[in-house]
Amino acid sequence: KAGVTQTPRYLIKTRGQQVTLSCSPISGHRSVSWYQQTPGQGLQFLFEYFSETQRNKGNFPGRFSGRQFSNSRSEMNVSTLELGDSALYLCASSAGQLNTGELFFGEGSRLTVL
Amino acid sequence: GQQLNQSPQSMFIQEGEDVSMNCTSSSIFNTWLWYKQDPGEGPVLLIALYKAGELTSNGRLTAQFGITRKDSFLNISASIPSDVGIYFCAGNAGATNKLIFGTGTLLAVQP
Repeated sequence: KAGVTQTPRYLIKTRGQQVTLSCSPISGHRSVSWYQQTPGQGLQFLFEYFSETQRNKGNFPGRFSGRQFSNSRSEMNVSTLELGDSALYLCASSAGQLNTGELFFGEGSRLTVL
Repeated sequence: GQQLNQSPQSMFIQEGEDVSMNCTSSSIFNTWLWYKQDPGEGPVLLIALYKAGELTSNGRLTAQFGITRKDSFLNISASIPSDVGIYFCAGNAGATNKLIFGTGTLLAVQP
């Protein structure tokens, strides 16, 4: 069974630009969560989607948004990038119905903002 | 953002030694989980705990869900070089996948 796939793995942007990250969950998994990982703040929850609906949202500004498609694939978007948005963005999937926190993470998309 | 208090911050041990790390929270959780992250990879789930007082093993790993529901510990017995990595605890307060992660414990194992 293929794991969680995230693209791109690495990207460099400049302040003010916007970025879209993509995540393909494990086949059959309907829940997709996004986390931001930085040295200073650690792993922080961004949002979770289930059946194309946002089910939970973390404490991030409105510049961070996401969506989920009917095939469970998900994208997250960050607009008007700031230097502090440099981070590893991790996508995680789970089977979805029972929210146990048992997540399967992808390798992440490492974003550098210059 | 919120993070759980995890200790120790780092450990440097010899192969074969046992390891213990713990995690504390100011609020209660319904689920405690332990993940391990290798360089360049995403976290991988090691153990999940669902009941206060529960003690669960996964091979050489043993974890416990504290009675107060505000803490958890992870033990690794007879460490081996592939145990190297960063270990994170995570708490889940409700029936969600919104996890609060600990600050992490970096484990280095010398052969």
